[in-house]
Amino acid sequence: EAQVTQNPRYLITVTGKKLTVTCSQNMNHEYMSWYRQDPGLGLRQIYYSMNVEVTDKGDVPEGYKVSRKEKRNFPLILESPSPNQTSLYFCASSSRLATGELFFGEGSRLTVL
Amino acid sequence: KQEVTQIPAALSVPEGENLVLNCSFTDSAIYNLQWFRQDPGKGLTSLLLIQSSQREQTSGRLNASLDKSSGRSTLYIAASQPGDSATYLCAVTGGATNKLIFGTGTLLAVQP
Repeated sequence: EAQVTQNPRYLITVTGKKLTVTCSQNMNHEYMSWYRQDPGLGLRQIYYSMNVEVTDKGDVPEGYKVSRKEKRNFPLILESPSPNQTSLYFCASSSRLATGELFFGEGSRLTVL
Repeated sequence: KQEVTQIPAALSVPEGENLVLNCSFTDSAIYNLQWFRQDPGKGLTSLLLIQSSQREQTSGRLNASLDKSSGRSTLYIAASQPGDSATYLCAVTGGATNKLIFGTGTLLAVQP
């Protein structure tokens, strides 16, 4: 089954404790991206990757890191989480940004205390 | 900077009614526009993808149109059903950048 898988789905952590949210897709997609969704602000893009080893900042990259060492995986790293990073995070992938349908993961709800 | 607006923010209709959701964007240099559905606590499901060279796309009871010159798209839902209740989002992929910009969504409630 074609899917985008995120882990963990739910996480409560404390300020400053590094964490990684994993994202994996099984569709051999070139394009992958991360979004955060906040009430009243909608979905905002954090980082995206056009292909392996190619990443770029979205609209809200501060406090986040990503890597794209292999095509199927695109982890989101919070080196020192802060309470303002409490949010619902989504990973998505597409065969090609310009022409492909975007597939989303189920989301990861992160709470930073 | 691309801005995407959706009107109305919320809509309640009786079952069986036809309805139109609106999406407007400020920069017409786009690759494509997508419409998504999001159920509470869930991820987004792609409904329709319209390439910049296309005028409309249809899937079942859904029809989406695109007018690049005016910066507008509409999602038409025919014969609405309670199961259509969800938040509907549009998103544009920029031509000048590789960013995907979302609208803030329309919360649709279809009353039985």
